[in-house]
Amino acid sequence: NAGVMQNPRHLVRRRGQEARLRCSPMKGHSHVYWYRQLPEEGLKFMVYLQKENIIDESGMPKERFSAEFPKEGPSILRIQQVVRGDSAAYFCASSPRKGVTEAFFGQGTRLTVV
Amino acid sequence: GDSVTQMEGPVTLSEEAFLTINCTYTATGYPSLFWYVQYPGEGLQLLLKATKADDKGSNKGFEATYRKETTSFHLEKGSVQVSDSAVYFCALSDTNTGNQFYFGTGTSLTVIP
Repeated sequence: NAGVMQNPRHLVRRRGQEARLRCSPMKGHSHVYWYRQLPEEGLKFMVYLQKENIIDESGMPKERFSAEFPKEGPSILRIQQVVRGDSAAYFCASSPRKGVTEAFFGQGTRLTVV
Repeated sequence: GDSVTQMEGPVTLSEEAFLTINCTYTATGYPSLFWYVQYPGEGLQLLLKATKADDKGSNKGFEATYRKETTSFHLEKGSVQVSDSAVYFCALSDTNTGNQFYFGTGTSLTVIP
């Protein structure tokens, strides 16, 4: 049973481009969480999704950021018109049911905006 | 709101030394408490957890006890190894919502031979 898979592991984008980060949850997991880790900081919650639904997006920036978890395929975190301040590590976690107590984290995508 | 305050690092210890990393929390409900470890260039791995007061989580020689009276969940290990060098994060999840973790800022540990 593969763990939470995130790709790409490293992503470089120029300012103004779009970044798409993918997260494939563990088999049997239908709940996905996205976190952002800025340099020298802890992880900050961004969004919680179930299949085809956004449950809690209270940590998402109001502009340029969006997330989805379609019926088929991975969850996608999309950042439009990236800026230098978006450079961070983005981690995805998945769980089999509501609640993070049983969540497993992926290895993260490190986004660098140049 | 919910939050976690974690001992700042970096911490440098000699091999076989005793480790304590302090963690205190603020929560409105009945949180579960966690310690995660992040090795260089890697994601977060669950180290241990405790879901109610007085529970002790333990794994790989690490221990932490959920102390409701002092709102603490300090991480300890009796004898650290070079391979324990990593960043350690304390976190809580509020059982009232359960939608997210609240993480501390992390403590970097370096163990030297």
